[in-house]
Amino acid sequence: EAQVTQNPRYLITVTGKKLTVTCSQNMNHEYMSWYRQDPGLGLRQIYYSMNVEVTDKGDVPEGYKVSRKEKRNFPLILESPSPNQTSLYFCASSSTTAVNEKLFFGSGTQLSVL
Amino acid sequence: GIQVEQSPPDLILQEGANSTLRCNFSDSVNNLQWFHQNPWGQLINLFYIPSGTKQNGRLSATTVATERYSLLYISSSQTTDSGVYFCAVSSNTGKLIFGQGTTLQVKP
Repeated sequence: EAQVTQNPRYLITVTGKKLTVTCSQNMNHEYMSWYRQDPGLGLRQIYYSMNVEVTDKGDVPEGYKVSRKEKRNFPLILESPSPNQTSLYFCASSSTTAVNEKLFFGSGTQLSVL
Repeated sequence: GIQVEQSPPDLILQEGANSTLRCNFSDSVNNLQWFHQNPWGQLINLFYIPSGTKQNGRLSATTVATERYSLLYISSSQTTDSGVYFCAVSSNTGKLIFGQGTTLQVKP
């Protein structure tokens, strides 16, 4: 089944403890991206990747890192999480570098930073 | 950057009613998509529609790129249509800008 898989689904952590949220897609998509969703603010893009080894900042990249060492995986890294990074996170992918195809989302990761 | 505005912010319908959701954007785009977020938080792509009209069952969408707006039509609404509808746009980059969404509640 074609899908974008995020793990974990829920995560509670403490301030300053490094964490990684994994994202994997099995559709051979070139484009992948990360978003955070907060009440009243909608979805905001954190980082995106047009292809392997190519990543760019979205609108809210501060406090986050990403890597794209292989096509199928695009992990989101929080080196030193803070409470303002408590949010619902989504990974997404689409098939072309021009983002001119439908975007497919993972199921989301609810992160709480205490 | 591109600004995206959706209206109305909230909408309550009786089952069977029709509705129109609007998405205005501030600059030329080459990518416009509509998404539905169901009450369980799952985001589903409804349409990729940078211009023209598309239909999928009870849903259809029209984008008038020259006037910088898109409309999503829901006909004969059902309770399963409830959730939040987002439009998102991009102008030939990897950045995708989302609107604030329209929250739809369909009552039985």
